[in-house]
Order: sequence, then C-alpha cells, then structure tokens
Amino acid sequence: AQKVTQAQTEISVVEKEDVTLDCVYETRDTTYYLFWYKQPPSGELVFLIRRNSFDEQNEISGRYSWNFQKSTSSFNFTITASQVVDSAVYFCALSESGGSYIPTFGRGTSLIVHP
Amino acid sequence: DGGITQSPKYLFRKEGQNVTLSCEQNLNHDAMYWYRQDPGQGLRLIYYSQIVNDFQKGDIAEGYSVSREKKESFPLTVTSAQKNPTAFYLCATRTGYTDTQYFGPGTRLTVL
Repeated sequence: AQKVTQAQTEISVVEKEDVTLDCVYETRDTTYYLFWYKQPPSGELVFLIRRNSFDEQNEISGRYSWNFQKSTSSFNFTITASQVVDSAVYFCALSESGGSYIPTFGRGTSLIVHP
Repeated sequence: DGGITQSPKYLFRKEGQNVTLSCEQNLNHDAMYWYRQDPGQGLRLIYYSQIVNDFQKGDIAEGYSVSREKKESFPLTVTSAQKNPTAFYLCATRTGYTDTQYFGPGTRLTVL
C-alpha cells in the first residue's frame, strides 16, 4: 500500500528565509508519480509539480526547487527567499502506476511566512 | 474561461437534510473525483468516475451519493446518513493522458 508522510505539521518563518518541506513516501511499485500541491487560504489546491520515479533530476522553478531521492524515498520541496504570499498548506501526493490514478495525499504542512 | 466550477462556495444546511454539491468542468477531462478535507487532515476520497455513467466508491463513500450523466458534471449528494457532514469538499478532474489531478475551488459545507 502506498503512504505519504509529511512530518512537519506547521512551519513558521520570517520573510526571505529559505524553507524546506519534507515528504517521505512508501510504495512497492517501481513506477510511480509524486506531486506537490499548494492550498492557499482560499482553499483551492494548486498543482505545482509532477515527477515520475524514473526521473531523479532535481527541478527548479523560480524560487521553488524539488529534490527527489529514491534512496531515501523522499521528495522535498524548498522555497528560497520566502514571501508572505507563500503562506499556505502544502500537500505531497503519490500515485502508483497501473491503478485508477488515485493519489494518496500526505496530511499537509502549513507554512506561515511572517513579514 | 476553462476550469472547474464548484458552487456554492459556502453552504449551510440543517441536520437531517440532503444537500447536493455541484461540480462542473469544461476541460474535457474524462475522470472526476470528490474529496473531503477536515481540519489538519489530508484529502480523503469519497467517489470517483473514470467515464460517463460509471463511478466507484472511494475510502469514505458511506452517506454520500453521486451521478455522472454528463462528462462535464459530477454532483455529490450528502445524505442525512452521513454522520459528520460538516467539512470542506473538493472536486478534481484528470485528463485521460496523465495522472495529474486539477482541483476546483471547493465548497465549505456546514450542517447546523
């Protein structure tokens, strides 16, 4: 069975600090997909990134970067120079191949960025 | 504009009443999903539909019902059998070519 753990329930930082959100997953599949979503106070989940299990290359998108390490089953998300607008709940999710594309979500990490 | 619409944003109902939450999409996506979110918890799957006129139960289907008569629409009915219906409900869609889900703005249901 697939499982996603986001051990950090809440993180509080001051603007311009760098922050890393941890995501650890469990799966028996060799082919799977990992996702990060952002949920701002408005409630809608916004898709940020999708990564398949065969692509361990790290990705950077502006102030966002993702570090995928199969050896530790982790897919961590770093925000560089955080801003108040980054305040949100961030969810990590895992989807196994060959199924009904039903992802398992972690419980989320609430990030609060203070001005 | 293309997207997923959920209405209303906030919904209040008296205990014992059935209520239907709307989810409409014009993305031409095949699959649609309903999730429930409670404070401090992740998303829990209620029902999903891969194609029109077919749907499957998720992890917490008891007390809920759905229909999928049109590709664009996947309404969720919260029945009086649902013991704790107060929650935030999210609808999502997925195109047949990828496993990425896209979410609507959500409906916050409060049962008084």
